[in-house]
Amino acid sequence: QLVLTQSPSASASLGASVKLTCTLSSGHSSYAIAWHQQQPEKGPRYLMNVNSDGSHSRGDGIPDRFSGSSSGAERYLTISSLQSEDEADYYCQAWATAIRVFGGGTKLIVL
Amino acid sequence: EVQLVESGGGLVQPGRSLRLSCTASGFTFGDFAVNWVRQAPGKGLEWVGFIRRKRSGGTTEYAASVKGRFSISRDDSKSIAYLQMNSLKTEETAVYYCTRDEGGAETLWGQGTLVTVSS
Repeated sequence: QLVLTQSPSASASLGASVKLTCTLSSGHSSYAIAWHQQQPEKGPRYLMNVNSDGSHSRGDGIPDRFSGSSSGAERYLTISSLQSEDEADYYCQAWATAIRVFGGGTKLIVL
Repeated sequence: EVQLVESGGGLVQPGRSLRLSCTASGFTFGDFAVNWVRQAPGKGLEWVGFIRRKRSGGTTEYAASVKGRFSISRDDSKSIAYLQMNSLKTEETAVYYCTRDEGGAETLWGQGTLVTVSS
């Protein structure tokens, strides 16, 4: 069963970097995922795809402060030069032939 | 402008039906699958279902929680997708989003429409 696991919360200081983690369930370590950002009181926004080899492709208009990487069953979203507007919920998402799955989300607090 | 706009949300009694629409603009709607995703108040994102593009068969898939009660359809001539929701439950109160699906990744989101199921 395809399941994505995320830590409920993370925090980092303004101007610093933060790395969020999404872990794929056993047997699914080759899967690509997508990252989405949801700012307070707004709808989600697609950020990027991250492949199992660590390559990533950002969505239109997503700044290069956002990057992706991989290690085994873990997929990462790194945000550098943190800004106040980066305070948001971040969801990873994966897919198989007949299903789409979301992680539980990580609430990022910018200190 | 490339966008998706949902409509049709509102207050509905438990056990009743509601149909949501998702209108696309700025891209070739028929080239993409379309998902529906919901978010209950204060909760995370939950996938509801999707419809494939016509040249992939135009078939549908649903989450177990809605299978048999919800159905998704599309009218590519109008660039619209629909979510028909029957036998609604109070716990299905949520903001419902449609998304553009590119090979599985949901690369474009609408602004959402609120569905409140309450007597």
